[in-house]
Parts: sequence; structure tokens; C-alpha cells
Amino acid sequence: GQNIDQPTEMTATEGAIVQINCTYQTSGFNGLFWYQQHAGEAPTFLSYNVLDGLEEKGRFSSFLSRSKGYSYLLLKELQMKDSASYLCAPSGGYNKLIFGAGTRLAVHP
Amino acid sequence: GAGVSQSPSNKVTEKGKDVELRCDPISGHTALYWYRQSLGQGLEFLIYFQGNSAPDKSGLPSDRFSAERTGGSVSTLTIQRTQQEDSAVYLCASSLRGRSVAGELFFGEGSRLTVL
Repeated sequence: GQNIDQPTEMTATEGAIVQINCTYQTSGFNGLFWYQQHAGEAPTFLSYNVLDGLEEKGRFSSFLSRSKGYSYLLLKELQMKDSASYLCAPSGGYNKLIFGAGTRLAVHP
Repeated sequence: GAGVSQSPSNKVTEKGKDVELRCDPISGHTALYWYRQSLGQGLEFLIYFQGNSAPDKSGLPSDRFSAERTGGSVSTLTIQRTQQEDSAVYLCASSLRGRSVAGELFFGEGSRLTVL
């Protein structure tokens, strides 16, 4: 079967660091995507990992362990505009992304 | 076009009516996906197109749902005899890649369907 597990909600303070964890089980695996979705808007691409390890892109980093079925998204120097839902999405056959329910992050001053 | 375009952006219909939702993907993108997102929920996969064929339609909830793609471009998602549980935002995404190679999905703004 297919299953993605991530926390439902998280809160953090402006300027801080937050780590959003994701565990997954999928049939077929072509890498893992993280998307950001602000309320009422379409999801937008943040990162993609296909090999084990850490991918860094500015304030955002994403980590993957294929053997453990585990990924995390690390957000540094949090800003108010980072308040959004963060969607973990492993890619299976046909590049079909299976999305988790997402983690709603609230950043407070 | 510059991005994925979906229409209508909002649709209110009565239970039992048919609706058609349209998606115009990014030019040159061969892969096209339909997802559904209910309020406060994650994205639920519906169907995938590579060109005009649909090798994976495993997410369509019932035979009331159908989709087609013509000319390797525009896609239409049709819901017949709509039910209240069909109310959701229907998101279309396109990608340069499909099959066994992963590629970034570009999403449209979605069509919000409300069934009264």
C-alpha cells in the first residue's frame, strides 16, 4: 500500500529553524518532492531528492533516507510568509506524486 | 502558455448535474495530472496522462468520473450526476517528464466545485 505520514500542525517563531518530518511507504520510488501551499493557492515546488543525503537551497534544505523511508524539510531564518502547508510527496511509477495531508506551519512574531 | 490554466475557477452546481472542468497545460509538457483536494485535506490523485493516453486512472473515485486529453494538450475532467461529496478543488498539473523519470509538477490554480 501507500502511506505518507507527517505532523498535522507545527508552530515556530520568526527567525527560528523548524524541521518537518515525513515517513512514507510507496510502491515504486523515483524520488521525493516537497511542495509549499499557501491557503487558497496552488502548490509550488520547493525541493526534490532522489539520492540519500541533504539538498540545500537557500533557506530551505531537504533530506532523504531511502532505506528508512524518511525525509525532512528544514526551514531556516523563518519569515512570516513561510506560514503555509508543506506537502511531502514521494514519486512512484509514471512520476505520480502521492501527497501526504500536509503540515500546516504557523510562524509567529 | 506561461503556466497551467484551469477553467472555470469556480463552479456551483446542483446535485445530479454534469460538470466539465478544463485544463490547459504548459506548452510542451507531455505529462498531465488531475488531483482533487477537499477542504483541509491533502491532494488525492485522480488520473495521469502521457500524451493523449491515460496509463494510470486508478484514482478516479467512480464511473461518474472521466477524463480525456486531445492533441497532447488540453484535458477535460467530466463529472456526471454530481454528488455533494464531489465538492472540492480540482487541481491540474503538468510536467515535462513522466513514465519512470521524476520531474517537477507545475500546478494550475484549480477549479473549485461546489455541489448544492
